Amino acid sequence: TQLLEQSPQFLSIQEGENLTVYCNSSSVFSSLQWYRQEPGEGPVLLVTVVTGGEVKKLKRLTFQFGDARKDSSLHITAAQPGDTGLYLCAGAASGGSYIPTFGRGTSLIVHP
Amino acid sequence: KAGVTQTPRYLIKTRGQQVTLSCSPISGHRSVSWYQQTPGQGLQFLFEYFSETQRNKGNFPGRFSGRQFSNSRSEMNVSTLELGDSALYLCASSLYRVNTEAFFGQGTRLTVV
Repeated sequence: TQLLEQSPQFLSIQEGENLTVYCNSSSVFSSLQWYRQEPGEGPVLLVTVVTGGEVKKLKRLTFQFGDARKDSSLHITAAQPGDTGLYLCAGAASGGSYIPTFGRGTSLIVHP
Repeated sequence: KAGVTQTPRYLIKTRGQQVTLSCSPISGHRSVSWYQQTPGQGLQFLFEYFSETQRNKGNFPGRFSGRQFSNSRSEMNVSTLELGDSALYLCASSLYRVNTEAFFGQGTRLTVV
């Protein structure tokens, strides 16, 4: 069983469209990270969310941490081809053994 | 500031052999973690080293081991390679423990034939 469930698994959209990626868990996380990974490269950290209900913006990307710190979402406005990549959420459950967990990822393709 | 460096980038090994992968973290970072990434299982945590001590270990067999040196550089060893060990092995470094910002290397693509 995956501790962090991401949806959707795949997204193929046209340039200019908006999209939302979800990261859900039954466990509470002290913080969650979002990464983007391009083929043949390692993941690159986009943001860390720490406080329940927190919203962070990074240009056209908006990240939200659920009030109960069990879920998070990533919203991209007016997607561009440069946004193409694998989006991963990650975290370590609170009160646990400090083992970091990654979701399976959402593979996004933005067509020009 | 140099990023995380992993060597080699690509490796082809035969079943039964052993392999050692190397990771140089960002200067000043004391935590190094290793991950295995496969299409079927995604990114899975192998272990974390902090100040030369293994602090956490994921659910992998004892064939997977690692160590960290006094300069924070880390090595990962896989013995008695199996076909299923073919994967992208990623190293990540952090200033403190894993649950903070982590910076990943480009990975080592290991193919076992």
